[in-house]
Amino acid sequence: AQTVTQSQPEMSVQEAETVTLSCTYDTSESDYYLFWYKQPPSRQMILVIRQEAYKQQNATENRFSVNFQKAAKSFSLKISDSQLGDAAMYFCAYGKTSYDKVIFGPGTSLSVIP
Amino acid sequence: SQTIHQWPATLVQPVGSPLSLECTVEGTSNPNLYWYRQAAGRGLQLLFYSVGIGQISSEVPQNLSASRPQDRQFILSSKKLLLSDSGFYLCAWSRGLTPYEQYFGPGTRLTVT
Repeated sequence: AQTVTQSQPEMSVQEAETVTLSCTYDTSESDYYLFWYKQPPSRQMILVIRQEAYKQQNATENRFSVNFQKAAKSFSLKISDSQLGDAAMYFCAYGKTSYDKVIFGPGTSLSVIP
Repeated sequence: SQTIHQWPATLVQPVGSPLSLECTVEGTSNPNLYWYRQAAGRGLQLLFYSVGIGQISSEVPQNLSASRPQDRQFILSSKKLLLSDSGFYLCAWSRGLTPYEQYFGPGTRLTVT
């Protein structure tokens, strides 16, 4: 069965600095999708970035980028130039076309220090 | 564009009372629909999902139930609430062809007293 692990329950970063959140997953599939969701204090879940497993190029969305290591089954999120608004819970997630559900990791709580 | 609504936003109910939470999606047809529960400071627990009207899959045995009376409406219910039902309930939708990309509603905070 597929699993998603986030080994860092809490992280902190100074404003304007860079932080990397870790995620590992377990799957026997070769074609799948990985996501990072952000849940700010308002608790509205927001899709931050997604990565297709068949793409070797790492996805990037403005200050957010991922380091996708398929062989290592690792999918980390890098936030550059951290802003106060980046403070949130971040969830790593796994899904695939033929599977109606998404597997979420336990989340990492990110604090941004002004 | 697609939007997803949930109501109520906040609810305080006594133990043993019934529950009905509603979720509706606009701007799309035949979406996959999902109910999640999130305890304070915790991750997401998938409760139910539906790939079509009348098709409900339950992930966790509990005193909750779900129904999908219309294509874009998903309801979470309970006949008798327990203290352990307190939490934050999130509804989400996805397109059938891309079930892995989910979009979430604003959530309902339920407190059972």
